[in-house]
Amino acid sequence: GQNIDQPTEMTATEGAIVQINCTYQTSGFNGLFWYQQHAGEAPTFLSYNVLDGLEEKGRFSSFLSRSKGYSYLLLKELQMKDSASYLCAVMGAGANNLFFGTGTRLTVIP
Amino acid sequence: DTGVSQDPRHKITKRGQNVTFRCDPISEHNRLYWYRQTLGQGPEFLTYFQNEAQLEKSRLLSDRFSAERPKGSFSTLEIQRTEQGDSAMYLCASSDDIDYEQYFGPGTRLTVT
Repeated sequence: GQNIDQPTEMTATEGAIVQINCTYQTSGFNGLFWYQQHAGEAPTFLSYNVLDGLEEKGRFSSFLSRSKGYSYLLLKELQMKDSASYLCAVMGAGANNLFFGTGTRLTVIP
Repeated sequence: DTGVSQDPRHKITKRGQNVTFRCDPISEHNRLYWYRQTLGQGPEFLTYFQNEAQLEKSRLLSDRFSAERPKGSFSTLEIQRTEQGDSAMYLCASSDDIDYEQYFGPGTRLTVT
């Protein structure tokens, strides 16, 4: 079966750093994705990890450990506009679809 | 290219009616996906096309749901005899064969009354 766990909600202060964790158990693995979704809008791509390690892209970084079934998204220098849901998604063996977690709603406070 | 587009953006229908949604993917993308998202949940996979071939369907896609991509370009998703439980955001996404990043459209929000 497929299972993805991530915290439901997080709150962080503007200018700070926040780490959003994701653990997964899936049948087959072809990569892990992080998407950002503002309320009422479509998900937008943030990062893709298929090998172990850290991928950095500006203020956003994503880490993957395949042996532990674990990933995190790191957001630095938080801005108010970063308030959104962050979705962890795994691409399974068939590489034909993404299996999403329920998302972590991040609220950035002044 | 302006990205993935979906039409309509909002649809209100009465229970028992049929509805059809359209998705226009990014023009050079040959892979097209449909997802459904309810409030507070992540998107759930419904079906996948590679060009005009529908290669995968989720168990969520009951026999009231049908999707087509007749010429390998735009796609339609039809729901027959809608039920209140069908109320959700229906998202379309597309990708190419080189990388797996899926680009999402703005979605069609369906409300069944």
